[in-house]
Amino acid sequence: GDSVTQMEGPVTLSEEAFLTINCTYTATGYPSLFWYVQYPGEGLQLLLKATKADDKGSNKGFEATYRKETTSFHLEKGSVQVSDSAVYFCALLYTGGFKTIFGAGTRLFVKA
Amino acid sequence: DAMVIQNPRYQVTQFGKPVTLSCSQTLNHNVMYWYQQKSSQAPKLLFHYYDKDFNNEADTPDNFQSRRPNTSFCFLDIRSPGLGDAAMYLCATSSVTGVWETQYFGPGTRLLVL
Repeated sequence: GDSVTQMEGPVTLSEEAFLTINCTYTATGYPSLFWYVQYPGEGLQLLLKATKADDKGSNKGFEATYRKETTSFHLEKGSVQVSDSAVYFCALLYTGGFKTIFGAGTRLFVKA
Repeated sequence: DAMVIQNPRYQVTQFGKPVTLSCSQTLNHNVMYWYQQKSSQAPKLLFHYYDKDFNNEADTPDNFQSRRPNTSFCFLDIRSPGLGDAAMYLCATSSVTGVWETQYFGPGTRLLVL
């Protein structure tokens, strides 16, 4: 079945460091891919998305590229801030579908 | 601002005592979802409503029910909560109009079962 695999956390970085959170997926078709962020005690917020191969999603300095050949959607940010500390979820959803499949989440801690 | 609202944010109930969680939305979306998220885990879809059509996930326990009286409101009923039902419950909405359907999440209700 379809699935999403993320790198295990927690990831601890110093402020202004470069961030990569790896995400790979297994899919029978061609889903849209998403990154959601969950701040402590809050619900999920959509961070960015990509709907087809080679699309790059970007928002708030974060970006991820839909790589069909490697079935990956890695999240990157050039310079993290303390306020980026949160749990990040990679997810997939088929067009016309209703069930978002989430990865297990990766917790990020950013130290000042 | 248009949004997804969940009440209460924290709910304490007793083992076996029915509890209802509520969700409302001002986005006028035709799909509403309920997810269960246990500590340090990914959200797990329980069911969704597409307009008035209810769609239950195959592995959702019978203990969990839902009602959607109108477009704006959706309720999650847990008939006899067990200790294992303690979790964050997330409501989400989406609009089936585009090529893909982004889901917008509420802040969640954290349920504690004593």
